[in-house]
Amino acid sequence: GAVVSQHPSRVICKSGTSVKIECRSLDFQATTMFWYRQFPKQSLMLMATSNEGSKATYEQGVEKDKFLINHASLTLSTLTVTSAHPEDSSFYICSASKQGNGYTFGSGTRLTVV
Amino acid sequence: SQQGEEDPQALSIQEGENATMNCSYKTSINNLQWYRQNSGRGLVHLILIRSNEREKHSGRLRVSLDTSKKSSSLLITASRAADTASYFCATVANSGGYQKVTFGTGTKLQVIP
Repeated sequence: GAVVSQHPSRVICKSGTSVKIECRSLDFQATTMFWYRQFPKQSLMLMATSNEGSKATYEQGVEKDKFLINHASLTLSTLTVTSAHPEDSSFYICSASKQGNGYTFGSGTRLTVV
Repeated sequence: SQQGEEDPQALSIQEGENATMNCSYKTSINNLQWYRQNSGRGLVHLILIRSNEREKHSGRLRVSLDTSKKSSSLLITASRAADTASYFCATVANSGGYQKVTFGTGTKLQVIP
């Protein structure tokens, strides 16, 4: 199967600090990973597409300097929320596709900024 | 803006009944996928239907796709309490050299034992 591991599952941080979320494909190589944000009782909103070895492609309205994405290897992409504010509190989910048929999602990270 | 609009937004049925969820989208797609999400958890891929397919089955799941109407339906037959979850459709389309996945608004299904 295709397994995507996301860490941490929950994080609480203070306003102004930065938080890094990791997304790993455990049993396959992923040249492309996707980062989503989900507000309570809402759908997933694509934030950016993470491309191995190159810059991420951000969706309109997503601040690239605030949400730093690094895809340094074929099995790891990281999302860093910089200078976090309470409005950044949300559920962040990554996904990757093994063969382009279906997408495997991480279990998500619930970020709370206090 | 959301590519996919789903209806109903919420659905409550008795165990054993069938549940039908609909998804409409706006642009051309490569394929359409359905996902399930339990509260506060990640998404689980259920089924994928390609743009040149009209219907697909997987166990108790039946998916139909009408590209002329830009719509899809997910039917869950003989529902169980464990089917209680939110269900999302997701369209996959070419965008700027890569495949972009866009999620619908979701249907929250409650199956009452």
